[in-house]
Amino acid sequence: QVHLVESGGGVVPPGRSLRLSCAASGFTFSHYGMHWVRQAPGKGLEWVAVISSDGDNRFYADSLKGRLTISRDNSKNTLYLQMDSLGAEDTAVYYCAKDRSSKWLKAEIDYWGQGTLVSVSS
Amino acid sequence: SSELTQDPAVSVALGQTVRITCQGDSLRTYYANWYQQKPGQAPLLVIYGENNRPSGIPDRFSGSSSANTASLTITGAQTEDEAVYYCNSRDTTLYHPVVFGGGTKLTVL
Repeated sequence: QVHLVESGGGVVPPGRSLRLSCAASGFTFSHYGMHWVRQAPGKGLEWVAVISSDGDNRFYADSLKGRLTISRDNSKNTLYLQMDSLGAEDTAVYYCAKDRSSKWLKAEIDYWGQGTLVSVSS
Repeated sequence: SSELTQDPAVSVALGQTVRITCQGDSLRTYYANWYQQKPGQAPLLVIYGENNRPSGIPDRFSGSSSANTASLTITGAQTEDEAVYYCNSRDTTLYHPVVFGGGTKLTVL
């Protein structure tokens, strides 16, 4: 059974950095692309970033590029998202999500974690 | 980046058929995938690719596509289908490679 458990969220002052983690289990983590998707309170889903199964290819949402780094440690079955220069607009639930394929080329996201809330506030 | 456009809200009588649409230029190249999200829960994949249902998704859910429009059809809607439905797809730009629609709130009357 696929399990994705995010951690690292919380309240953070504007301008600070935060690193989110996602512990994966129940599947061969190193075989699949992984995404981060966020959802601001009361709003829709916003795709954030994706990383290929081997970690060699990473892509980011245009509006967030330069402030984010997605990474993975296949030896630890863990996905990460480093976020810098946080602003109020980054307040959201951040979901870790698994792609159906190694290269994510169809963006078919078949499993989601329960999310971790990041609240940017002074 | 490209956009995917969805109607904000749709309603359907219990047991009737409803179609939820998603429009965007990227859908001329890529299939849409569909997700169901109920309050307080993570999204759930209900349709992917041309018209594929993950294990456990009822066969009343189906997908179709024509030109720049993808559709999710629920044949015989049930009360438990009341949720927000999102489409997503690959985008045609390399620099913003995945895009989501704004979501459609489905009410089952």
